Amino acid sequence: QQQVKQSPQSLIVQKGGISIINCAYENTAFDYFPWYQQFPGKGPALLIAIRPDVSEKKEGRFTISFNKSAKQFSLHIMDSQPGDSATYFCAATVFFSGTASKLTFGTGTRLQVTL
Amino acid sequence: GAVVSQHPSRVICKSGTSVKIECRSLDFQATTMFWYRQFPKKSLMLMATSNEGSKATYEQGVEKDKFLINHASLTLSTLTVTSAHPEDSSFYICSANRLSYNEQFFGPGTRLTVL
Repeated sequence: QQQVKQSPQSLIVQKGGISIINCAYENTAFDYFPWYQQFPGKGPALLIAIRPDVSEKKEGRFTISFNKSAKQFSLHIMDSQPGDSATYFCAATVFFSGTASKLTFGTGTRLQVTL
Repeated sequence: GAVVSQHPSRVICKSGTSVKIECRSLDFQATTMFWYRQFPKKSLMLMATSNEGSKATYEQGVEKDKFLINHASLTLSTLTVTSAHPEDSSFYICSANRLSYNEQFFGPGTRLTVL
């Protein structure tokens, strides 16, 4: 019940294209869904996050779509650039203000954006 | 803001020796820090939750006597890999929760190689 399933495992997109990564969760107590970007040999960096009270959140070229009833959320990278080539992890947690909560990570998606 | 550092970034040691990895929150106070382990091309695996001034909480299957965690202040947590063996070789990443926020900021990671 704690799992977060992520797909695809790897993705190749042409420059300017749209990259789409999907995640699904089972634990209905999860109420905070961040996405992290990780470059080789570096720690993950928070990219964008969403709470389940909204269905979509956009920040620049990055958009999260959230479907509460289906328990699914996805990351869309518009106008993908070679610099976006990295591994992307979705995650989920129970968000309590002032209390640190453990993140449950997806398995990761290796994105390669080609010229 | 919200910068987390790790030291060292890389360490090579001989089998049987102990290695200490430091995790510091540079510009904020963190009551909770998390330690992760990441194998090549894999997701982050939570090892333990470190709370300032109290004992760490270890995830199932993580040997607490092998991976000693100390969280002596609101800006510093340390992970000591005792009697390291080649199978302990991995990428170790810490994250820190900013006080009153439930958002984890990750360090850049430490690459441990045990010969």
